[in-house]
Amino acid sequence: QQQVKQSPQSLIVQKGGISIINCAYENTAFDYFPWYQQFPGKGPALLIAIRPDVSEKKEGRFTISFNKSAKQFSLHIMDSQPGDSATYFCAATDSNYQLIWGAGTKLIIKP
Amino acid sequence: DAGVIQSPRHEVTEMGQEVTLRCKPISGHDYLFWYRQTMMRGLELLIYFNNNVPIDDSGMPEDRFSAKMPNASFSTLKIQPSEPRDSAVYFCASSNRGPEAFFGQGTRLTVV
Repeated sequence: QQQVKQSPQSLIVQKGGISIINCAYENTAFDYFPWYQQFPGKGPALLIAIRPDVSEKKEGRFTISFNKSAKQFSLHIMDSQPGDSATYFCAATDSNYQLIWGAGTKLIIKP
Repeated sequence: DAGVIQSPRHEVTEMGQEVTLRCKPISGHDYLFWYRQTMMRGLELLIYFNNNVPIDDSGMPEDRFSAKMPNASFSTLKIQPSEPRDSAVYFCASSNRGPEAFFGQGTRLTVV
């Protein structure tokens, strides 16, 4: 029940296309859902996050869509660029701030 | 602020040796997390502190691992004795009264 399931494991998208990464959770106590971006040799960096009181949050080319009833959330990257090539992690937490992590998605944007 | 600072960036040690990883969290942050990242197991939370007090160390794999936070600006993760299966990237992260964790650059540990 503590798991966060992330898919796909890897993704190749053409430059300018839309990248979509999906996550699903079971624990209804989760109330914070961040996405982290990690480049090789670097630590994960917070990209965007959402709380379950909204269904969508947009920051530039990055959008989180949240479906509370289905217990799913997804990251959409519009107009994907080669610089977006990285590993993306979804996560979830409740009030104890202990993040439960997805397995990660390696995204490659082809020029 | 310089962000979360970890040292060393790379550590190569022989099996059986003691290894100490260091972390300086962002000033004013009251939560500190130690993670381990491997290809096989992904990101694993080892232990986290709140106001310098260990809250949950259930992720620490064995008694060979120990962590301390003597003050708000410094934490250590120690492995004694080290084993080849401890080879991984170890991350320290901190947060300010919330779940938004900021990560350091990590320490790549290789035990030979």
